[in-house]
Order: sequence, then C-alpha cells, then structure tokens
Amino acid sequence: TQLLEQSPQFLSIQEGENLTVYCNSSSVFSSLQWYRQEPGEGPVLLVTVVTGGEVKKLKRLTFQFGDARKDSSLHITAAQPGDTGLYLCAGFSSNTGKLIFGQGTTLQVKP
Amino acid sequence: NAGVTQTPKFQVLKTGQSMTLQCAQDMNHEYMSWYRQDPGMGLRLIHYSVGAGITDQGEVPNGYNVSRSTTEDFPLRLLSAAPSQTSVYFCASSYSKRQRKNDEQYFGPGTRLTVT
Repeated sequence: TQLLEQSPQFLSIQEGENLTVYCNSSSVFSSLQWYRQEPGEGPVLLVTVVTGGEVKKLKRLTFQFGDARKDSSLHITAAQPGDTGLYLCAGFSSNTGKLIFGQGTTLQVKP
Repeated sequence: NAGVTQTPKFQVLKTGQSMTLQCAQDMNHEYMSWYRQDPGMGLRLIHYSVGAGITDQGEVPNGYNVSRSTTEDFPLRLLSAAPSQTSVYFCASSYSKRQRKNDEQYFGPGTRLTVT
C-alpha cells in the first residue's frame, strides 16, 4: 500500500514567519500535487511537480520534488493570514492510475 | 461554468437510513470520483468513473453505491447509513478518461454528513 506522510500535521505561526511542510513516502510517484483547502470548501490545486529535483515557485510558495520522486516540500516565505488553510499533498501512481493523498497539514497564520 | 456542484451541503441521518448525495459537473469531464475526508486521514477514494456507464471501486467502497448514467452526474448512494460513515464527502472531476500525472482534480464544495 502506498502511503504519503505529511508533517507537521498542525502549524500555528505569526504573520511574517517562514515555514516548511513535508510530504514523504517510501514509494516512487510519477508526479506530486499540492492542494489548498479552506474551511467549508473543496481542495484547489496549487501546483504539480513531475521531474525529480524540480522546483516551482508560486509567489511566496516554493514547491520541490525530491530527486528520487519519493518526497516533496512546500516552503512559505513571510506567511500571511490569507495562507491559513489545510495543505494536502497527493502523489500520482502510474501503476494504479490513482492519486494518493497525505493526511494534510493545517496551517494557522496569526496576524 | 459552475464547475463541480454538490447537494446537500449538510445532512443528518439516523442509523439504517439511506440517502443519495448528488454531484454534477458542467466541464464535460470524463473522470469523476467520490472521496471521503476524515480528520487525520486525508482524502480516501470511495468510487470512481471513467465515463458514462462505467464505474469502479476505490479504496473504501463498502456501504456505498454509484452509477453514471450521464457524463454530467455521478450520485453516491448510502444504502444503510452507519455512524462510521460520518464524514465530509467530496466529489471531484478531471478531464482525462485515463488519469495522467498532470491531471488537475476539480473538487466540489463537499457534503458534511452526520449519522447518529
């Protein structure tokens, strides 16, 4: 069974701080997606990384796919209250054709 | 485009009752799926469909039925509700019939179900 472990599960920080969320697995994935979910809404795709070592930036968010395509990280620089939400990583397995989701990281950014 | 819509937003059922969660998309997507979201467990796939008339089981299918009579609609039926089915249910769709590594999943707003 393929699993994705996210850490930390909860993060509460002050506005302006930096943070990193990790997504780890013992399995290799063809791609890794990051979604953001706000209370009462469905997840919304932020980014997809497909190449080992790939780095993508989305304003203050930096996403990296591990060289071996088993892990990924999300780094937020100078967090804002608007970054508050649940962040989910999801790995795509070419073998099964399915997305496997991590447990999620709940981020609270206090003003 | 409305995207993916789900009804109802909230529902309370008694143990043993049945109900149908509705899901519709207006993006002409081939692939549709149902997930449940529980604290600390992420999103788990219940059932999915690669097109009208074709459905298959996901990771946690027991207690749920689906059908896909049209491209647009993908209802989820709870046959005999149990407290273990208390959860938030999300419907999602994506363009490709056969999932590809770049495919974006478009999620609905969710249905919060409580079974007492």
